[in-house]
Amino acid sequence: RKEVEQDPGPFNVPEGATVAFNCTYSNSASQSFFWYRQDCRKEPKLLMSVYSSGNEDGRFTAQLNRASQYISLLIRDSKLSDSATYLCVVNGPSGAGSYQLTFGKGTKLSVIP
Amino acid sequence: NAGVTQTPKFRVLKTGQSMTLLCAQDMNHEYMYWYRQDPGMGLRLIHYSVGEGTTAKGEVPDGYNVSRLKKQNFLLGLESAAPSQTSVYFCASGVGLEQFFGPGTRLTVL
Repeated sequence: RKEVEQDPGPFNVPEGATVAFNCTYSNSASQSFFWYRQDCRKEPKLLMSVYSSGNEDGRFTAQLNRASQYISLLIRDSKLSDSATYLCVVNGPSGAGSYQLTFGKGTKLSVIP
Repeated sequence: NAGVTQTPKFRVLKTGQSMTLLCAQDMNHEYMYWYRQDPGMGLRLIHYSVGEGTTAKGEVPDGYNVSRLKKQNFLLGLESAAPSQTSVYFCASGVGLEQFFGPGTRLTVL
């Protein structure tokens, strides 16, 4: 099983739509979870951390289910500027120092006018 | 603050040539990382450093060497480039688990 798995997409959604991305991780010892955003031909940038109780940042909501080892990202009222690849990130891999991160391959989102 | 910078931005090598990629950060971060990103593979950790003078292997270290002589710099060396090393290389630095990435180096090995 891969460490972090994501649906690669692409997700093509109209402006204003709500879209959800899912991610599963294999390391049950992972304690820290993140969503990064990567624009085409650019570097990844931290979008938000994911907390156990779920957290919201404007139009973005992240959820964590430790029992199912599942992370989600919900984007409401999609904007054209949300078009990017969204990377699910978990600390690990198994046996590594806690300062290492494992990245999913990313889910590509295209918001269409 | 410049954040994380990488030199060069683009490079084309012939098989067997060597080169060094330079990463510099001005945020006084202890941790620095080198990743490669290939289509369909996601980001993979090559080597990392938890402080000046220390380095460690990541997921895909073969064919690469690194050095961290100064806290702000992390160098990635390719001693004998191979076509399989054609990739986009990202450097990152961080404190705790939040990582800040440089703009990347696009390397092609012919």
